[in-house]
Amino acid sequence: QKEVEQDPGPLSVPEGAIVSLNCTYSNSAFQYFMWYRQYSRKGPELLMYTYSSGNKEDGRFTAQVDKSSKYISLFIRDSQPSDSATYLCAMSGTGNQFYFGTGTSLTVIP
Amino acid sequence: DTGVSQDPRHKITKRGQNVTFRCDPISEHNRLYWYRQTLGQGPEFLTYFQNEAQLEKSRLLSDRFSAERPKGSFSTLEIQRTEQGDSAMYLCASSFYGTEHEKLFFGSGTQLSVL
Repeated sequence: QKEVEQDPGPLSVPEGAIVSLNCTYSNSAFQYFMWYRQYSRKGPELLMYTYSSGNKEDGRFTAQVDKSSKYISLFIRDSQPSDSATYLCAMSGTGNQFYFGTGTSLTVIP
Repeated sequence: DTGVSQDPRHKITKRGQNVTFRCDPISEHNRLYWYRQTLGQGPEFLTYFQNEAQLEKSRLLSDRFSAERPKGSFSTLEIQRTEQGDSAMYLCASSFYGTEHEKLFFGSGTQLSVL
């Protein structure tokens, strides 16, 4: 079983839609949860960072962590064509290892 | 604000040749990571440095791969006797490891194609 599971998509939504991206994980030691956005042929860009359970909001983006279910989500409100990218979840515990999902490809159609 | 810089952006080589990539981290960061990413996959850990010390190498890293970080600044990743299976995006990331949990910041990567 992989440490982190992420639905690869692809996901295609109309402009203005609410997007929900999700990851599940198996290691209960994970405490730090991140979402990265990666445009084609570019490196991942840190989008959201949360510690432990709860919600964090930043503009149109909301990250949710449910440690009891080992489930994390990223919501994008009022999605824009410029949000079209691959979204990677990542997580870590107290050590230095970061574990990445395989990424979900998102296309926002104008 | 200067981010993580990687050079070259693209590299095409023939099987059996050696290649070297360079990474310049964010200046105040003390940790530097190398990852490999293939199409449709997330970044896969290769190795990391804290200052000039290489603290961990992935079991997936064969002896054809070597990384250095002299003086704790820039880093190089060398692949000897390249194979077609080495074709991938090689990503460098840096972070500050200190009083709070570290956050990885990635460069734009070096896309390697082995013919």
